[in-house]
Amino acid sequence: KAGVTQTPRYLIKTRGQQVTLSCSPISGHRSVSWYQQTPGQGLQFLFEYFSETQRNKGNFPGRFSGRQFSNSRSEMNVSTLELGDSALYLCASSLEGSYGYTFGSGTRLTVV
Amino acid sequence: KQEVTQIPAALSVPEGENLVLNCSFTDSAIYNLQWFRQDPGKGLTSLLLIQSSQREQTSGRLNASLDKSSGRSTLYIAASQPGDSATYLCAVKGDSSNTGKLIFGQGTTLQVKP
Repeated sequence: KAGVTQTPRYLIKTRGQQVTLSCSPISGHRSVSWYQQTPGQGLQFLFEYFSETQRNKGNFPGRFSGRQFSNSRSEMNVSTLELGDSALYLCASSLEGSYGYTFGSGTRLTVV
Repeated sequence: KQEVTQIPAALSVPEGENLVLNCSFTDSAIYNLQWFRQDPGKGLTSLLLIQSSQREQTSGRLNASLDKSSGRSTLYIAASQPGDSATYLCAVKGDSSNTGKLIFGQGTTLQVKP
């Protein structure tokens, strides 16, 4: 069965612009989480969506937002990009409960 | 606040060696712990998932143990191969089933030399 699909794989944006990243979870998975990975901070939790509702949120500024659609696909948006937003953004999906998480290949965002 | 630490940060071993990667966490109230592998510039591949009620899980040459009371998990890799070279990450899930938040360690970067 298909894994977690993230698009696009690579993105280059200019400071001040905004960007939207997409994540399609494994079929049947209703929980979608987003993480930011940087060399300095490692993997940090951004937010989680479950059945179109944000269930958890990490410690990131309001420029980072997301949403989930009725088919469980999720998007995250970053507005007013800063150089420090350059990172690998990873999406993970899971069945509820005691199941583990499956990650996508990530979107590499470079802000110049 | 849960904190996850992985030691060592980097490890270089000759092919064929058995090795142990360590993961420690400060709050023993976890729901489960998951080990991942990450190749450079790629996403995370799940290796093993251990529920809080379990002591260990095995998959092929990999064995992961969990000691909740002491806040420790180890990943044992038997007969290491150059293809095992990657960064290994452990992540804990909090004490509830309805949270999607994983807390990650900083990872151990493993190099297996032929």
